[in-house]
Amino acid sequence: GQSLEQPSEVTAVEGAIVQINCTYQTSGFYGLSWYQQHDGGAPTFLSYNGLDGLEETGRFSSFLSRSDSYGYLLLQELQMKDSASYFCAVIGGGYQKVTFGTGTKLQVIP
Amino acid sequence: DAGVIQSPRHEVTEMGQEVTLRCKPISGHNSLFWYRQTMMRGLELLIYFNNNVPIDDSGMPEDRFSAKMPNASFSTLKIQPSEPRDSAVYFCASSLNRERSYEQYFGPGTRLTVT
Repeated sequence: GQSLEQPSEVTAVEGAIVQINCTYQTSGFYGLSWYQQHDGGAPTFLSYNGLDGLEETGRFSSFLSRSDSYGYLLLQELQMKDSASYFCAVIGGGYQKVTFGTGTKLQVIP
Repeated sequence: DAGVIQSPRHEVTEMGQEVTLRCKPISGHNSLFWYRQTMMRGLELLIYFNNNVPIDDSGMPEDRFSAKMPNASFSTLKIQPSEPRDSAVYFCASSLNRERSYEQYFGPGTRLTVT
């Protein structure tokens, strides 16, 4: 089966940097995705790591270490609108199945 | 381009009634996913279609749930009979293909309340 672990809540100050970690266990690992979900909204795709290393998309970066079964999402220059839940999702097992973590609720404070 | 379309957006029904949720994936996308989200259980994958064929339904809770995809542009999730514990937000998502399943586009969801 597949399992993921990420912190349930994180609080950070506007303008700062925050890192949301994700550890996973899966068979047949393909990669790790990150999604953002605002309250009352739908998840939206942020980034994907299929290989080790850092992927950068604007203020957001995502990192993967396959050997450590670990990844993180880095949010820079935090803005109030970044307050949302962030989910890591592992792609693995058969049929490139996607399994979502339980989500990290990020609160950005002034 | 239209995103993933779901209907209805809200559904309130009584226990024992049949509920049908509808989804239209993004045109050209070959993979379609149905999820259920609750506070207690998070975002759960119910079923996964590729080229209109169900390839993983291990997340379907029980026989009361069924899903179909009669063509590339339409899918339904049916609950019969519905129970209060089925109350949740149900999301449909699509991806370009199975190889791009890591990048899914979600519909706005259907908020189901079973009383």
